[in-house]
Amino acid sequence: NAGVTQTPKFQVLKTGQSMTLQCAQDMNHEYMSWYRQDPGMGLRLIHYSVGAGITDQGEVPNGYNVSRSTTEDFPLRLLSAAPSQTSVYFCASSPQGSEQYFGPGTRLTVT
Amino acid sequence: GENVEQHPSTLSVQEGDSAVIKCTYSDSASNYFPWYKQELGKGPQLIIDIRSNVGEKKDQRIAVTLNKTAKHFSLHITETQPEDSAVYFCALWGGAQKLVFGQGTRLTINP
Repeated sequence: NAGVTQTPKFQVLKTGQSMTLQCAQDMNHEYMSWYRQDPGMGLRLIHYSVGAGITDQGEVPNGYNVSRSTTEDFPLRLLSAAPSQTSVYFCASSPQGSEQYFGPGTRLTVT
Repeated sequence: GENVEQHPSTLSVQEGDSAVIKCTYSDSASNYFPWYKQELGKGPQLIIDIRSNVGEKKDQRIAVTLNKTAKHFSLHITETQPEDSAVYFCALWGGAQKLVFGQGTRLTINP
């Protein structure tokens, strides 16, 4: 199993641009989530999904959209990038929600 | 909502000594307490976890203790080695059905 994969590893955007961060898992996990990690602030939940077709907001959802059309994929969309969205983004998956397994991350810089 | 405080933010120990990181929480509905290790440039890795019906769990050199009455749980690493140097995060899963993370502890093992 590849586990949780994320692409791209690095991305630089200009303010106002949009993009999609990809996340996929091959463990048949129902629960998937997106976090952002900023220095000194730990990991903060952006959006999560308890199964295909179901998504919900986390702690910091503004400026981000998600969809879950399949069990395997959970893309995160930045609608209009802002410098405040410069961060490292992690996707995670879990069979039930609590025991989560993380991908390698995407480092995003918005200029 | 759930909140978790993690201390210390940095910890430096001599190789071979023990390291202890503590987290306190407020939500009595929390029932799952994982610990993650994050190495530079990588995603968090689940290293040990404990559920609310257990007071202590051990896996080789690492152990986690839980005091539900006092609402705190701790990570103990014995016989520390250079490869233990990393950032460690505590987390908890509770009534809101989301994983909430502490702020992280940067552990440095000095040879």
